[in-house]
Amino acid sequence: DAGITQSPRHKVTETGTPVTLRCHQTENHRYMYWYRQDPGHGLRLIHYSYGVKDTDKGEVSDGYSVSRSKTEDFLLTLESATSSQTSVYFCAIRRQGRNEQYFGPGTRLTVT
Amino acid sequence: KNEVEQSPQNLTAQEGEFITINCSYSVGISALHWLQQHPGGGIVSLFMLSSGKKKHGRLIATINIQEKHSSLHITASHPRDSAVYICAVGAETSGSRLTFGEGTQLTVNP
Repeated sequence: DAGITQSPRHKVTETGTPVTLRCHQTENHRYMYWYRQDPGHGLRLIHYSYGVKDTDKGEVSDGYSVSRSKTEDFLLTLESATSSQTSVYFCAIRRQGRNEQYFGPGTRLTVT
Repeated sequence: KNEVEQSPQNLTAQEGEFITINCSYSVGISALHWLQQHPGGGIVSLFMLSSGKKKHGRLIATINIQEKHSSLHITASHPRDSAVYICAVGAETSGSRLTFGEGTQLTVNP
């Protein structure tokens, strides 16, 4: 399972509050990704990282920021949550020298 | 138009039937991936293809680069195959990033 955990697994929060989701990996992989999954859409890339302090935007990055101060942790922050950010968030890693991505268990976020 | 289109969106089959799920894409790719998402939400990688055909157990994936099309076949389907099957492509110009189809919900009835 590539040693990926996500926390929290479920969260309900109110509009306007800040929220941080954590992705943790135990295998020292360089590439990490944050996706959101919504009905009627495929998985969509929010942000990704290709190393400590090296991050870049994906296709749906507005309203989200990320940080990667350690190889093992990739944090996704919603500075001021909105109802449109209600979604299931998946973290993924890519193993060195391979193109497959391995996914964490997901975090279900509800913004009320 | 999405870069990755899957068909059908939903598929119901009887146990034992041969299943085909299709994926068409519009960009040049370095690789195509098939993933499975279980009812509990977990996503696992089934195949990565850049040409030809791959087989794992009852699952077969094929790709036709010229036609920009891939198929995922399941032989002798079983209720435990019920899941969402997702096609994703790694475009030649996008490095390690993937673009995903919306998925095909497969239900196999006993």
